[in-house]
Amino acid sequence: QVNLLQSGAALVKPGASVKLSCKASGYTFTDYYIHWVKQSHGKSLEWIGYINPNSGYTNYNEKFKSKATLTVDKSTNTAYMELSRLTSEDSATYYCTLGAMMVIGYWGQGVMVTVSS
Amino acid sequence: DVQMTQSLSYLAASPGESVSISCKASKSISNYLAWYQQKPGEAYKLLIYSGSTLQSGTPSRFSGSGSGTDFTLTIRSLEPEDFGLYYCQQYYEKPLTFGSGTKLEIK
Repeated sequence: QVNLLQSGAALVKPGASVKLSCKASGYTFTDYYIHWVKQSHGKSLEWIGYINPNSGYTNYNEKFKSKATLTVDKSTNTAYMELSRLTSEDSATYYCTLGAMMVIGYWGQGVMVTVSS
Repeated sequence: DVQMTQSLSYLAASPGESVSISCKASKSISNYLAWYQQKPGEAYKLLIYSGSTLQSGTPSRFSGSGSGTDFTLTIRSLEPEDFGLYYCQQYYEKPLTFGSGTKLEIK
């Protein structure tokens, strides 16, 4: 049974960075892409980008190219997203999701990031 | 970017009724469309992909139709567990984009 276990909520100061984790289980980690999706409070969903865990290839939404960095650790079946130079606009819930190419099949429970001094 | 428009942000219906949720793309996306459901406290769930293909585990009362720019999610004979948020998403081109969501509530 597929499971995407995301790290706990984060409270971070403006200008800082945060690294979110997503531990995958229940499937072969390198067989599917990991996509990350942002949902600001009360708003819709924004696709940040994806990483191919097998090759490490990444593809980003232009909007998030200078904001997010996606990586994986194949030894622990864990995906990471680092968000840099945080502002209040980055306060949101971030979802780790699993995709067969561009179809997102499974979602993690989401992690709330709050940027506040 | 392809804009996805869900014109109804809110829809109220009673159990047993049938409802349709529409989604319109700003350009033709062929049938590269998925529908997701979110219920409070639960993870998002993929219901339909390729416009009309039911994901494994999606009840048969759900159906998807459309291609090009206009798509519809139909739920026949609503069950209490069907109430929640529904989003469409295109994957015809990157960046992937989502509709603004339709909240289906019990009347």
